[in-house]
Amino acid sequence: AQKVTQAQTEISVVEKEDVTLDCVYETRDTTYYLFWYKQPPSGELVFLIRRNSFDEQNEISGRYSWNFQKSTSSFNFTITASQVVDSAVYFCALSEAGSGGGADGLTFGKGTHLIIQP
Amino acid sequence: DAGITQSPRYKITETGRQVTLMCHQTWSHSYMFWYRQDLGHGLRLIYYSAAADITDKGEVPDGYVVSRSKTENFPLTLESATRSQTSVYFCASWGGDSIYEQYFGPGTRLTVT
Repeated sequence: AQKVTQAQTEISVVEKEDVTLDCVYETRDTTYYLFWYKQPPSGELVFLIRRNSFDEQNEISGRYSWNFQKSTSSFNFTITASQVVDSAVYFCALSEAGSGGGADGLTFGKGTHLIIQP
Repeated sequence: DAGITQSPRYKITETGRQVTLMCHQTWSHSYMFWYRQDLGHGLRLIYYSAAADITDKGEVPDGYVVSRSKTENFPLTLESATRSQTSVYFCASWGGDSIYEQYFGPGTRLTVT
């Protein structure tokens, strides 16, 4: 069965520091999809990125970047020059192609609470 | 309004009462899901549905019942609420194409006293 591990329960950094959120996954499928969602204090879930298992290129979007490494089953998320508005809970999630790429739902990690101090 | 909505947004109920959480989406997505979010557990799948009249259990289905008579609606019922069901409940929908992510509703915060 699939599993997602976010070992960092809480991270606290000072504004403008870089911070990396770790995500390690387990799956027996060769085709799968990885996601990151952000949950700000207001509570909604905000989609950040989706990556399929065949695309190992790193992704950069502004101050956000993602490092996908199949060799270590990791999909880490880095925020560069963090800002107070980045304070949130961040979830990594996985779906398997065997389930149609999401038809059986997503498997979430337990989340990392990121605190950016001014 | 287009999107996915949940009602009520907040609910307090007593142990043993039946309560239904509503979820409505306007995209005609085939797939719909219910998750619960608890501190220390992340989000866990309760039930999901591939189409009207097709539902299946997720990771934590005990104590919950779902139905899907219409594509756009996916209500979640707690037949006899327990304190352990105090949680934030998220509904999500997905169009079935793997290039898209699941879209989540705003959540319902349920407290069982």
